[in-house]
Amino acid sequence: KQEVTQIPAALSVPEGENLVLNCSFTDSAIYNLQWFRQDPGKGLTSLLLIQSSQREQTSGRLNASLDKSSGRSTLYIAASQPGDSATYLCAVRHISSNTGKLIFGQGTTLQVKP
Amino acid sequence: ETGVTQTPRHLVMGMTNKKSLKCEQHLGHNAMYWYKQSAKKPLELMFVYNFKEQTENNSVPSRFSPECPNSSHLFLHLHTLQPEDSALYLCASSQDAEGLKPQHFGDGTRLSIL
Repeated sequence: KQEVTQIPAALSVPEGENLVLNCSFTDSAIYNLQWFRQDPGKGLTSLLLIQSSQREQTSGRLNASLDKSSGRSTLYIAASQPGDSATYLCAVRHISSNTGKLIFGQGTTLQVKP
Repeated sequence: ETGVTQTPRHLVMGMTNKKSLKCEQHLGHNAMYWYKQSAKKPLELMFVYNFKEQTENNSVPSRFSPECPNSSHLFLHLHTLQPEDSALYLCASSQDAEGLKPQHFGDGTRLSIL
């Protein structure tokens, strides 16, 4: 059974720091991995999607890497800003699923202090 | 209006009530999803619809009844719910139902069962 774990559960950093969020999954047989952001009381916003054949994806100050064989992904946020404060979720799609079913981690809640 | 819209944003109901949640997407997507987000638990997939046909039911109790009249609209009919059904219910859509494209989420309906 695929399980997704995100560590740490919460993180607080001063503005301007570079930081790394971690995601691990138990079964490496995935199609892709997706990182989302969730603001309080809101839905999820897709940040980056990495296909299983890719090693990384970049969007602005965000860089996501994928090491499928070791079951790990990281989300790197450069020069963090208070507006980056949110909960970050990673999710994987297993190759056995043909319906787009995503398995989510519990998220890392990030606070960036001014 | 663009994106994924969910109504109502908040709903309080008794265990004997019948209510419905509505989701509408204006993205031209073919697949729609219902998710449940409970406190302290990862986001859980409930149902997947592809071109109006249900392609996944993730062992959801029959007191939750989905309906997808067309590719743009998705409903979740609720009846005789339990207190543990209190949660944030999120709707999502994607261009494909295979999970190769990112899923786009609405802001959810916060459901409280008295």
